[in-house]
Amino acid sequence: AQSVTQLGSHVSVSEGALVLLRCNYSSSVPPYLFWYVQYPNQGLQLLLKYTSAATLVKGINGFEAEFKKSETSFHLTKPSAHMSDAAEYFCAVSDAGSNYKLTFGKGTLLTVNP
Amino acid sequence: NAGVTQTPKFRVLKTGQSMTLLCAQDMNHEYMYWYRQDPGMGLRLIHYSVGEGTTAKGEVPDGYNVSRLKKQNFLLGLESAAPSQTSVYFCASSDSNQPQHFGDGTRLSIL
Repeated sequence: AQSVTQLGSHVSVSEGALVLLRCNYSSSVPPYLFWYVQYPNQGLQLLLKYTSAATLVKGINGFEAEFKKSETSFHLTKPSAHMSDAAEYFCAVSDAGSNYKLTFGKGTLLTVNP
Repeated sequence: NAGVTQTPKFRVLKTGQSMTLLCAQDMNHEYMYWYRQDPGMGLRLIHYSVGEGTTAKGEVPDGYNVSRLKKQNFLLGLESAAPSQTSVYFCASSDSNQPQHFGDGTRLSIL
């Protein structure tokens, strides 16, 4: 079974600082990978997705993620944090042999300090 | 542009009561999913459906039943609610190789 590990359940940064949220997956085959964001009392919204077309994926709101097969990682970054980025972020991977079921990480809560 | 709509948004039940959560999507997606979200646990798949008339168990199916009589609707039922089922429930839908689209969730408390 697939697994997704998000290192750090809580990350705190200052406004304007680099955001780095870590995600590692377990898979012998390059899967589809996703980052979702959840604002308080809302559902999950897609930030970006990796589908093997390019290793550096750009998403909405200035976020991007780089797929590194050798490290089985798909870390999410943003050069300069904004207060509105405060939310919970989930990494997800498609199941091997399935192109629709996802396994989610436990989430990382991002706090942005003024 | 409704997307995925969940009904109700909030509900409080007593232990042993039953209820049904409704999910409706207007994107003509084949696949639909029910998740529960608990603090520190991420999202866990309860049941899913790969098409009208089909359902399958996910990671945490016990205590829940589902039905997909129409392509656009996916119902989640709790026959005899237990306090351990207090959670936020999310419905999602997707097509093959496409991201899942989520509803805004149903907050369910069981006393």
